[in-house]
Amino acid sequence: AQSVTQPDIHITVSEGASLELRCNYSYGATPYLFWYVQSPGQGLQLLLKYFSGDTLVQGIKGFEAEFKRSQSSFNLRKPSVHWSDAAEYFCAVSGGNAGNMLTFGGGTRLMVKP
Amino acid sequence: NAGVTQTPKFQVLKTGQSMTLQCAQDMNHEYMSWYRQDPGMGLRLIHYSVGAGITDQGEVPNGYNVSRSTTEDFPLRLLSAAPSQTSVYFCASTPLGAYEQYFGPGTRLTVT
Repeated sequence: AQSVTQPDIHITVSEGASLELRCNYSYGATPYLFWYVQSPGQGLQLLLKYFSGDTLVQGIKGFEAEFKRSQSSFNLRKPSVHWSDAAEYFCAVSGGNAGNMLTFGGGTRLMVKP
Repeated sequence: NAGVTQTPKFQVLKTGQSMTLQCAQDMNHEYMSWYRQDPGMGLRLIHYSVGAGITDQGEVPNGYNVSRSTTEDFPLRLLSAAPSQTSVYFCASTPLGAYEQYFGPGTRLTVT
């Protein structure tokens, strides 16, 4: 069965600093990988996705993620964090099963210091 | 397009009561799904549907029923609410052949 681990439950960074959120997945074949963001009291918004091809993918809001098959990782990065980036971030994997349903990690809550 | 809509936004139930969480989408998506979100556990799949008349169980289906009579609607029924069903519930939809899911705003349910 597929699974996703986000090792960091909470991360605090200063505004303007760089950010990396970790995601490790377990899946036997080529995964379809996603990062979603959830602002307080809101639904989930898709930041970016990886299906195939270039292992560095660009998303919205200045985020990018790199797929590393050898490490089973799909870490999310941003070079300079803004206060509005404070939110919870979820990594997810789809194995191409019926309905293409997602398996989510536990989430990482990002706090931004002024 | 309104996208994926969910009603109600908030609900408080007593143990043993029943209710239906509504989900609708106006994007003509074939796939629809229900997740529950609990702290530290991310989102877990409850039930999903790959088209009208077709539903299947996800990771945590116990205590929930679904049906899909139209492409647009995918209601989630709690037959006898339990405190363990206190959670935030999200409905999502996906176009046929795609993988990214489009989420509704969620329903926060408290069972006392």
